[in-house]
Amino acid sequence: NAGVTQTPKFRILKIGQSMTLQCTQDMNHNYMYWYRQDPGMGLKLIYYSVGAGITDKGEVPNGYNVSRSTTEDFPLRLELAAPSQTSVYFCATGGGGLREKLFFGSGTQLSVL
Amino acid sequence: GENVEQHPSTLSVQEGDSAVIKCTYSDSASNYFPWYKQELGKGPQLIIDIRSNVGEKKDQRIAVTLNKTAKHFSLHITETQPEDSAVYFCAASKPTGNQFYFGTGTSLTVIP
Repeated sequence: NAGVTQTPKFRILKIGQSMTLQCTQDMNHNYMYWYRQDPGMGLKLIYYSVGAGITDKGEVPNGYNVSRSTTEDFPLRLELAAPSQTSVYFCATGGGGLREKLFFGSGTQLSVL
Repeated sequence: GENVEQHPSTLSVQEGDSAVIKCTYSDSASNYFPWYKQELGKGPQLIIDIRSNVGEKKDQRIAVTLNKTAKHFSLHITETQPEDSAVYFCAASKPTGNQFYFGTGTSLTVIP
């Protein structure tokens, strides 16, 4: 039972490049979230999903896209990377009676240079 | 939306002393207040939470208090140990919607 798995752990991108941050969970949770964490700024919600086929924007969605084709996977796509997207990205899940209890992955540290 | 403020941003205590971290929220509709601990290089992990129908909750050395009237809640860690050193985040959420609003974090250092 791995919980929430994020890949890669580290990545350096050049401005304008694209990439997908992967998130997969084996907890059978309906709710999945993507957060970014900037120094001194706490966690900001990028996108979330309440189930397969359903996604919605959070506080800071610009420059990102998501999809949710299965319960297990919730990838985050950066189409044209910008320096402002340098951050640590966390995927989280919540489900059923535990919807309000978030379980986080270990994060992806992304630098855009 | 909701605005959660957290203080202090950094906190150093001697081992065995108590640590208190405070958060305020702006939306009186918020009714669920979790606290997360983030160790270096890891994702945040839930350590304790409280709902708006409860004023205080304890779990061994940690406790959370909630003052709905003043819209603030606090995390109390007693008999601190070096392994308590981490970044702590408070958060708030409402019964409707699916968003959690996080504070900016407190970096706690417990000095042996």
